[in-house]
Amino acid sequence: GAGVSQSPSNKVTEKGKDVELRCDPISGHTALYWYRQSLGQGLEFLIYFQGNSAPDKSGLPSDRFSAERTGGSVSTLTIQRTQQEDSAVYLCASSLGIGGGAQHFGDGTRLSIL
Amino acid sequence: SQQGEEDPQALSIQEGENATMNCSYKTSINNLQWYRQNSGRGLVHLILIRSNEREKHSGRLRVTLDTSKKSSSLLITASRAADTASYFCATDWQGAQKLVFGQGTRLTINP
Repeated sequence: GAGVSQSPSNKVTEKGKDVELRCDPISGHTALYWYRQSLGQGLEFLIYFQGNSAPDKSGLPSDRFSAERTGGSVSTLTIQRTQQEDSAVYLCASSLGIGGGAQHFGDGTRLSIL
Repeated sequence: SQQGEEDPQALSIQEGENATMNCSYKTSINNLQWYRQNSGRGLVHLILIRSNEREKHSGRLRVTLDTSKKSSSLLITASRAADTASYFCATDWQGAQKLVFGQGTRLTINP
């Protein structure tokens, strides 16, 4: 497809379990971003990948959160030992990565921790 | 903490009226962008205005930027029911491509 694709669209899991969220960016976009959106709130930056550079992890809330981007394309956000406060919508975006500019978002993964 | 603050938090108007939303930010910026989010969906980019620009138009959208006041406004003219959504401003600054988002304005257009 032409847009950013995220999977799964919904995930329900028990507290303490690990979860993996996947993002397929737009082909050719070198920059990839993860954000978290709590109910009725704005977006909170988590992590940013740009080409082969070291990622900007400054937004990750704890060491339970990690992300990787393989081959400069698909990215996986992993949350270990999930807590109830991790419940949110996790949004991925990609961009051309040149001098800022418009970011293109997927529809997100709605994560619910029981 | 988020840099942007938006005003109002919620706005309800009649179809055909104009809608104005405001955004304030705290530090110097490179660009300011506006996004729309329909319920349960991702964000859609609407318009980008650079720090050296003061006004920009795109269709029924008009964005202004006042860097001395660290504020921006988004005007939607001749609103339609399909404009019902949440609207967010987002800023980035020199050397950083990550965006900092405001809390958003929830706009409802009544038919």
